[in-house]
Amino acid sequence: GQSLEQPSEVTAVEGAIVQINCTYQTSGFYGLSWYQQHDGGAPTFLSYNALDGLEETGRFSSFLSRSDSYGYLLLQELQMKDSASYFCAGRGFKTIFGAGTRLFVKA
Amino acid sequence: DAGVIQSPRHEVTEMGQEVTLRCKPISGHDYLFWYRQTMMRGLELLIYFNNNVPIDDSGMPEDRFSAKMPNASFSTLKIQPSEPRDSAVYFCASSPTSRGIYGYTFGSGTRLTVV
Repeated sequence: GQSLEQPSEVTAVEGAIVQINCTYQTSGFYGLSWYQQHDGGAPTFLSYNALDGLEETGRFSSFLSRSDSYGYLLLQELQMKDSASYFCAGRGFKTIFGAGTRLFVKA
Repeated sequence: DAGVIQSPRHEVTEMGQEVTLRCKPISGHDYLFWYRQTMMRGLELLIYFNNNVPIDDSGMPEDRFSAKMPNASFSTLKIQPSEPRDSAVYFCASSPTSRGIYGYTFGSGTRLTVV
């Protein structure tokens, strides 16, 4: 089977750093993706990790450890506009999404 | 590029009626996906196509759901007959490759309400 576990919500203050974790069980795992979704909007692609290690894209970084079946999304210099839901997605034989982590950024 | 285009944005229908959702993927994207999103079940993959051919429809809930992709620029998801539990946001997404490196580009979604 395939499943991804992530916290349901996280709260942080503006300017801070927040880490959203994701653990997964997928068949034929190829990589881990992250998506952002604002209320009423569509998911938008943030990053993809196929290999172990850290990938950095501006204020966002994503990490993968295949041996631990674990990954995380790191958001730095948080801004109010980062308040959204964040989904990890396991790319196996098909792409399955986690339930999402709702991030609240406080002033 | 206009992105992935879905229509309609909102659909309200009565139980038992046929509903057709439409999607135009990004030109050159060989993969097209239909997802359904609800609070209870999150984002569920219903079906995906590669070069217009259905590859995996194991997520289609039941025979009331059907999807077609007659050409590279158009796909439909049909529900017949519709039921209140089908109420959800339906997203179409496309990707240039099966590899995740480019991610999926999602359309704006169709919010379906069945009363």
